[in-house]
Amino acid sequence: EDKVVQSPLSLVVHEGDTVTLNCSYEVTNFRSLLWYKQEKKAPTFLFMLTSSGIEKKSGRLSSILDKKELFSILNITATQTGDSAIYLCAVDGGSGAGSYQLTFGKGTKLSVIP
Amino acid sequence: GAGVSQSPRYKVAKRGQDVALRCDPISGHVSLFWYQQALGQGPEFLTYFQNEAQLDKSGLPSDRFFAERPEGSVSTLKIQRTQQEDSAVYLCASSLAPGTTQYFGPGTRLLVL
Repeated sequence: EDKVVQSPLSLVVHEGDTVTLNCSYEVTNFRSLLWYKQEKKAPTFLFMLTSSGIEKKSGRLSSILDKKELFSILNITATQTGDSAIYLCAVDGGSGAGSYQLTFGKGTKLSVIP
Repeated sequence: GAGVSQSPRYKVAKRGQDVALRCDPISGHVSLFWYQQALGQGPEFLTYFQNEAQLDKSGLPSDRFFAERPEGSVSTLKIQRTQQEDSAVYLCASSLAPGTTQYFGPGTRLLVL
């Protein structure tokens, strides 16, 4: 059974801090790993990672994948209160024949205080 | 449309009632997924469509759950004889092609009393 574990489950930081969110996985047939940000609405797409060691960057957010050690990290620098959300890690593990279902972790709840 | 839309956004049902949840995917997206998200948990896969074909329904928790996408666009998730444990947020996602990025709708929050 595919498994995705995120840590920490919750985190409280001050504005301006840098945070690192972790995601480890065990899947049958890895195809991709995705990060989403979820506020009180639709999970919004952040990154899709398929190759090891290549950093993806968008503004203050960046992410990298290690397919040998089976984990990914999401970094947020110079955090702002608007970064407060649940960050979800998901993996397309190819577990279903002809399916592309995502297996999600429980999420990391990030709270950024002024 | 600009994104995935879902309706209704909120639904309260009495135990035993049937409910129908609608998903309008991004125009032209071939793949459509339904997920169930319980409070404090990550979304869990329910079912997957490629165009009108339901290719994977391994995540549907019981035969009370039924999904369709008859014309390969709009999809409906139906839950018959709702139970309290069905209370959750039901998320729909679509992707342009199999294996590409899934984009999520805002979800339908179902509360069964």
